[in-house]
Amino acid sequence: KAGVTQTPRYLIKTRGQQVTLSCSPISGHRSVSWYQQTPGQGLQFLFEYFSETQRNKGNFPGRFSGRQFSNSRSEMNVSTLELGDSALYLCASSTRTGGGSPLHFGNGTRLTVT
Amino acid sequence: AQRVTQPEKLLSVFKGAPVELKCNYSYSGSPELFWYVQYSRQRLQLLLRHISRESIKGFTADLNKGETSFHLKKPFAQEEDSAMYYCALGPGDTDKLIFGTGTRLQVFP
Repeated sequence: KAGVTQTPRYLIKTRGQQVTLSCSPISGHRSVSWYQQTPGQGLQFLFEYFSETQRNKGNFPGRFSGRQFSNSRSEMNVSTLELGDSALYLCASSTRTGGGSPLHFGNGTRLTVT
Repeated sequence: AQRVTQPEKLLSVFKGAPVELKCNYSYSGSPELFWYVQYSRQRLQLLLRHISRESIKGFTADLNKGETSFHLKKPFAQEEDSAMYYCALGPGDTDKLIFGTGTRLQVFP
């Protein structure tokens, strides 16, 4: 089975711009979670989607949003980028929702905001 | 509130030495606990989960509800064990997987 695929791998944006990140889960996985990874904070939960519905959300401002399509692919959008948004954004898929089953991670999208 | 604490940012040992990566959690219910590992230039991947009670790559972790700990242990470290290790707790009351800040393990030859 193909693993979780995230595109693009790298992004460089300037403050105030917006960005869209894409994630294709493992075939058959209907849950997609997004995490922000930084050296100081570790992995911070952004949100989880299951069957096209947002099931859970972390403590991030409304500038961070996402969606999931009928084929379980997911996108994450960050508007009005700030310098502090520079991070590695990880997507993970799972067979079940709710955080109780193992997550399968992608390689991440490294976002740099200048 | 649910929380995962990994008190050590960096743990350095020599090859063949025992390793213990500490993980403490706060949750009053029945936890699901995991260890994830990220080797250099590889994706984050599941190492083991407490309900499996299995040994992966020589690592074991025992859930101690009394001490609310889930420490990761290996009797003899290998250089290829050098990686970033994350302890994670789910789903609890929040229905999500919460990660600790991670411990970098360095195994010297």
